[in-house]
Parts: sequence; C-alpha cells; structure tokens
Amino acid sequence: NAGVTQTPKFQVLKTGQSMTLQCAQDMNHNSMYWYRQDPGMGLRLIYYSASEGTTDKGEVPNGYNVSRLNKREFSLRLESAAPSQTSVYFCASRTGQGLDYGYTFGSGTRLTVV
Amino acid sequence: GNSVTQMEGPVTLSEEAFLTINCTYTATGYPSLFWYVQYPGEGLQLLLKATKADDKGSNKGFEATYRKETTSFHLEKGSVQVSDSAVYFCALIVGGGFKTIFGAGTRLFVKA
Repeated sequence: NAGVTQTPKFQVLKTGQSMTLQCAQDMNHNSMYWYRQDPGMGLRLIYYSASEGTTDKGEVPNGYNVSRLNKREFSLRLESAAPSQTSVYFCASRTGQGLDYGYTFGSGTRLTVV
Repeated sequence: GNSVTQMEGPVTLSEEAFLTINCTYTATGYPSLFWYVQYPGEGLQLLLKATKADDKGSNKGFEATYRKETTSFHLEKGSVQVSDSAVYFCALIVGGGFKTIFGAGTRLFVKA
C-alpha cells in the first residue's frame, strides 16, 4: 500500500548512543516532516524539508539532525541520545505547499532512552 | 501567535450517543483547519478539513464547520460507535504552509 514507512518501530538506547530513524514515502510528495509526540503536548515539529535538497528547523530541533536523501527519503539522527528524547516519533509527508493539503503520517517509532 | 486549544479528555460515551469535541484557535491570517484521528498504535490520519470560513468538512459521519466569528472548529458525530474510540487532534496551517499547529488531542472512549 502507498504511504509513509518508518523504521524501526521500537528502539531502546542508552544515554549517549546515536541512532538514525528512517522514513520513506512512495506518493511523490514534495515536503516531509519529523514530529515528536509526548503525552499532553500534541505533536511538535522537529525538522521539515520543503523539497528535495532543503531542510529547516521546526519548533524543537535541538539534539537532532536530518537528511533529505532524495525525494522519497528523510532521515532523523540523534547524535547523543538523552532521556528527554524519549518519545514517539512520526514522519509525515504532504503533496503540496499550500494550505489545502493535509499530512500522511507513518505509524511511528517508539524510542526509549535509558 | 498561532495556537489550538481542544477540550480535555478523556471523553467517555455510550454507543449511539452524540459526540462534540470542542476546538478553538488563534491565528494570524486565514488558516486552514483540520481534524486528525489516531487509533491505538498507529499514526495520525486526516479525518476532515475546511479551508475557509463557513466551510463544512465531513467524512465517515464526522462533521466540523469553520466558524471565523467564534474562531472554532468543533468536531461532531450524530451516533458514535465503539470503533470510533481514538484520540482526535485539531490542527491549523497558516502562512507559508509548512508548519502545522496541533492541539494536545482529545481521547474518546465509546462503550458498547
């Protein structure tokens, strides 16, 4: 089925370890996004990529880096994980730039940092 | 700044009851408004949207009307089912269109 695929689904890291969350979409969408979801706080934007070759910071970028590898793929890297980064991470994509378009979300990565 | 405020949950209803989940917003400019639904263990799914004042979005029996005068976008359904149990998020996009503002979410439980 067409959509947004995230890997891994679950991960446990020790403080200070690094890891990369992978995201790919097969809908030919231009823009891609990384969000984190924490209880009672809704979703907060970490980074986004308006188009292939561009990336920009969102609301909570500290401690993260991203790479828009090509139009399909947008990865999120934690260089030195901290317990405050324990969260559920969602990748999303949108077809266009305008205000009419909603997101397609992946199923999420549940990350625990101990 | 831009923000979205949703009613706190959880909301617990019996099957076939009427549902209202309140959502109000503040925004500069003219936002588009969305409702997303998240089922357990899944990502968010777009439920409905409205892009200008007085528009009504609808899908799967859910409706919401974009009310500019009250800055609201309340979600309604006439008869809920157990399968509607989920978390519902209100959201807006404004300006350049790359940053969506989400509410904190409202959890709905529907009892058989």
